[in-house]
Amino acid sequence: QKEVEQNSGPLSVPEGAIASLNCTYSDRGSQSFFWYRQYSGKSPELIMSIYSNGDKEDGRFTAQLNKASQYVSLLIRDSQPSDSATYLCAVTVFGYAGGTSYGKLTFGQGTILTVHP
Amino acid sequence: EAGVTQFPSHSVIEKGQTVTLRCDPISGHDNLYWYRRVMGKEIKFLLHFVKESKQDESGMPNNRFLAERTGGTYSTLKVQPAELEDSGVYFCASSTRRKGWQTQYFGPGTRLLVL
Repeated sequence: QKEVEQNSGPLSVPEGAIASLNCTYSDRGSQSFFWYRQYSGKSPELIMSIYSNGDKEDGRFTAQLNKASQYVSLLIRDSQPSDSATYLCAVTVFGYAGGTSYGKLTFGQGTILTVHP
Repeated sequence: EAGVTQFPSHSVIEKGQTVTLRCDPISGHDNLYWYRRVMGKEIKFLLHFVKESKQDESGMPNNRFLAERTGGTYSTLKVQPAELEDSGVYFCASSTRRKGWQTQYFGPGTRLLVL
């Protein structure tokens, strides 16, 4: 079983629709959850982070976390063609060393999203 | 504020050769991470520095990989000798030790191809 699982897609939605991306994780000790967006050939860019159960909204993006079910999702409302990218789910367990907090990310394989006009 | 930079952007080498990748984190970021994505797989953690100290090397594949972080600033990742399976995209990320330390900022990556 992979540590972080995502549907690889591709997920295709029409412009203006809601895109729903899902992710499950296996480590119950995971403390933080992230969604990164990666355009082809570019670096991953953080778009949402969530740390507690429930919903977190930021503009057109809503992240949802259910620790009991070990499930995290990302909703993109009013999808635009510019949202077409690979969306990476990542989780982390925090550590503390050298007077600094840190957390190594464990990624899923990513879901390719295509928003067509 | 400049972002994370990596050099080179691409590298094509032959099996058995040595390659050194460089990462310059965001200025003032104490945390520096290396990750790798091989074809068809997810991005995987390689190692983590706090300043110049290695804190977690659990993701390093084998002793052909050597990472250093001089003076707690830039970092290098050397692969010697390179093997075919080392091909992939190597990402560097950095984060602050202060508020917002959970956010890792990624560089553009170095695409390594070993022939």
